[in-house]
Amino acid sequence: GESVGLHLPTLSVQEGDNSIINCAYSNSASDYFIWYKQESGKGPQFIIDIRSNMDKRQGQRVTVLLNKTVKHLSLQIAATQPGDSAVYFCAENRNYGGSQGNLIFGKGTKLSVKP
Amino acid sequence: GAVVSQHPSRVICKSGTSVKIECRSLDFQATTMFWYRQFPKKSLMLMATSNEGSKATYEQGVEKDKFLINHASLTLSTLTVTSAHPEDSSFYICSASSTGMADTQYFGPGTRLTVL
Repeated sequence: GESVGLHLPTLSVQEGDNSIINCAYSNSASDYFIWYKQESGKGPQFIIDIRSNMDKRQGQRVTVLLNKTVKHLSLQIAATQPGDSAVYFCAENRNYGGSQGNLIFGKGTKLSVKP
Repeated sequence: GAVVSQHPSRVICKSGTSVKIECRSLDFQATTMFWYRQFPKKSLMLMATSNEGSKATYEQGVEKDKFLINHASLTLSTLTVTSAHPEDSSFYICSASSTGMADTQYFGPGTRLTVL
């Protein structure tokens, strides 16, 4: 079936290193993807998004890469900080019947940053 | 900008009672609001989508008589868990979006429901 999934459930990095979180999607018709950060006991926080007509988008310390050929999405965090520790979800935005798009979330990757 | 609030943040209730959770967009008008449910260490699962002034669209497997959704204004949606049971205990999260904000959904902080 259609799904959005993640390769790694957990990721532990040293403070200051770069982090890469991966996501695979199966619906080739999806045209919009978002990365969210969720801290314990809180709602998801928007990090960065990308549309399918792009293959790379940069934000502050974050970069999202989209490879439509292999249906792969990644989030790169530069100079990872302890405050980056959280669960990261990729989400696929899919429109149903012309209404506002619905988000299909991946399983999440827990990022732990060691000081 | 694009702040979404939820109230209450935590609620504990007895089995059989009903609980109402509010979701508000504080600085924008939300044409669409979404309700999600999240179990511990799991991903978010969409329960329903609601457009202001219309009936909510429920995802497959979500009982609409159990989870009543009202989207009476462009800044407020409510989720009422009726006759709650312990298996309804979960983290409920809403999100809001606007046609003027493309497809971006902004999430509330979530409500932790514990049914005893």
